Amino acid sequence: EAGVTQFPSHSVIEKGQTVTLRCDPISGHDNLYWYRRVMGKEIKFLLHFVKESKQDESGMPNNRFLAERTGGTYSTLKVQPAELEDSGVYFCASSEGLGNTIYFGEGSWLTVV
Amino acid sequence: EDKVVQSPLSLVVHEGDTVTLNCSYEVTNFRSLLWYKQEKKAPTFLFMLTSSGIEKKSGRLSSILDKKELFSILNITATQTGDSAIYLCAVEANSNYQLIWGAGTKLIIKP
Repeated sequence: EAGVTQFPSHSVIEKGQTVTLRCDPISGHDNLYWYRRVMGKEIKFLLHFVKESKQDESGMPNNRFLAERTGGTYSTLKVQPAELEDSGVYFCASSEGLGNTIYFGEGSWLTVV
Repeated sequence: EDKVVQSPLSLVVHEGDTVTLNCSYEVTNFRSLLWYKQEKKAPTFLFMLTSSGIEKKSGRLSSILDKKELFSILNITATQTGDSAIYLCAVEANSNYQLIWGAGTKLIIKP
């Protein structure tokens, strides 16, 4: 069974550019989460989808970040325009239902220069 | 503010030693506590703990939760070099079960 997959695994972009990260959750998992870890800090929650609906986006740092999950399958996280402090690793995770085991992708490493 | 604190931040031991990693938490609407192992990339799931005093075991790893004192420990016995990793503790909280993470314990096992 395929796990949570994320694309790209690494990206380096210039400040002011746009990057779109993609996450494919485990098939059948309604819950999809985005987390990120910036250098030297804890992993922080960004937002939570249940199917295509945003349940909680309280962790999104500002309006430069836009997440979508059209059709309730894969999700994208767009950063536009990117700033230096956005550098870090962005993890996607999914679970079948609330309270079930949460499985993580390998992360998308973003470097903004 | 919800928080999860892990200790120690890093630990270096020799193969064969036993280690105990600590995780304490202060959160509202506690659901469960989870342990993950992160080697190179994705955190991989180890344990989910919801009830106090019930030990979960998987091979040389075991973990227990104390909901009264608000902490959990992760034990690894007869450590091997393959146990070297960052061990992350996270607490599921709130209505959407979002994870609140500790900073992790970096464990290095020397041959």
